[in-house]
Amino acid sequence: DVKVTQSSRYLVKRTGEKVFLECVQDMDHENMFWYRQDPGLGLRLIYFSYDVKMKEKGDIPEGYSVSREKKERFSLILESASTNQTSMYLCASRGRAWGTEAFFGQGTRLTVV
Amino acid sequence: SQELEQSPQSLIVQEGKNLTINCTSSKTLYGLYWYKQKYGEGLIFLMMLQKGGEEKSHEKITAKLDEKKQQSSLHITASQPSHAGIYLCGADWQGGKLIFGQGTELSVKP
Repeated sequence: DVKVTQSSRYLVKRTGEKVFLECVQDMDHENMFWYRQDPGLGLRLIYFSYDVKMKEKGDIPEGYSVSREKKERFSLILESASTNQTSMYLCASRGRAWGTEAFFGQGTRLTVV
Repeated sequence: SQELEQSPQSLIVQEGKNLTINCTSSKTLYGLYWYKQKYGEGLIFLMMLQKGGEEKSHEKITAKLDEKKQQSSLHITASQPSHAGIYLCGADWQGGKLIFGQGTELSVKP
């Protein structure tokens, strides 16, 4: 069974904290993605990576950074968390860049207080 | 994403009724995906469409990609409470991106 695992289902952090969201996939996929999901806005792409140590900005990268030191792991970093980063965060992975199904993790609901 | 517009944004139907969700792109689609999401959970893959005019079915759900490859529709026949959730269309986009529409929230009344 293919799996994308996000380290936490729920997270509460304080404003200004540095936050790490971890995502691990066991399918040897090249491509990994981080999205945030907000009511009425759907999934918005924050960053994606097509290979180890490679990263590309998505549509809303401001306030976030990412790290991909190993193929199976893609981390999303909030350098200084703010209340407007309260959201559901979803990680996904897929093998090729085009024409293949992406597999999603269960999501991390982050609340910044 | 504004590149993919879904309609309607929400839908309430009586159990047993048919319904359609639309996904319209600002550019030609080369890979169009439909996913379903149960509240507060990850996305489950339903179908992928790539060719103009293509149609695929999974149980009572049918998805089509129009000939011009700029619009897709998802049709549910004889809806059931188990169909309730959020339906999202996604697409392969320039630069290797995978983008999504804003989602359609479906409620099915018993």
